[in-house]
Amino acid sequence: KQEVTQIPAALSVPEGENLVLNCSFTDSAIYNLQWFRQDPGKGLTSLLLIQSSQREQTSGRLNASLDKSSGRSTLYIAASQPGDSATYLCAVKDAGGTSYGKLTFGQGTILTVHP
Amino acid sequence: EAQVTQNPRYLITVTGKKLTVTCSQNMNHEYMSWYRQDPGLGLRQIYYSMNVEVTDKGDVPEGYKVSRKEKRNFPLILESPSPNQTSLYFCASSLSAGGDYGYTFGSGTRLTVV
Repeated sequence: KQEVTQIPAALSVPEGENLVLNCSFTDSAIYNLQWFRQDPGKGLTSLLLIQSSQREQTSGRLNASLDKSSGRSTLYIAASQPGDSATYLCAVKDAGGTSYGKLTFGQGTILTVHP
Repeated sequence: EAQVTQNPRYLITVTGKKLTVTCSQNMNHEYMSWYRQDPGLGLRQIYYSMNVEVTDKGDVPEGYKVSRKEKRNFPLILESPSPNQTSLYFCASSLSAGGDYGYTFGSGTRLTVV
């Protein structure tokens, strides 16, 4: 059974810092991995999608990497801003025919960027 | 705008009173799914639908029903809600079950059962 772990559980940084959020998964047979952002009282916003054949994806100040063999992904946020404060969730879509589209989520990292 | 729309956003109800949470997507997605999010447990899949008239249970289906009569709609039905169904619910859709282009989530429905 796939399990996804995110470290750290919470992170507080001053504005302008570069930071890394970590995601690990127990079964390396994944189809893809998606990073989401969740703001309080709001839904999940997709940030980056990495297919199993890819090593990284970039969008603006965000860069996500994937090392499937070691079961790890990192989300790098450059020059953090107070508006980046949110909960960041990592979700894995397993390969194989029995997952039927299910995403397995980590518990999330609560990020606070203070001015 | 491509989106998944859930209604209502907030709902307080009493134990045993049947309710339906609606979900609609405008992206012609084949695959739709419901998740619930609880503190300490994260997001867990309730039900999913591969296509019209094709639905199946996820990890926590007890106490819920779904239907998929049209491609765009996937309502979640609680026939006799109980307090342990108090949670934040999310509907999601994808072009296919493979999630090749990722998943789009709705804004969530916060349900409280008293």
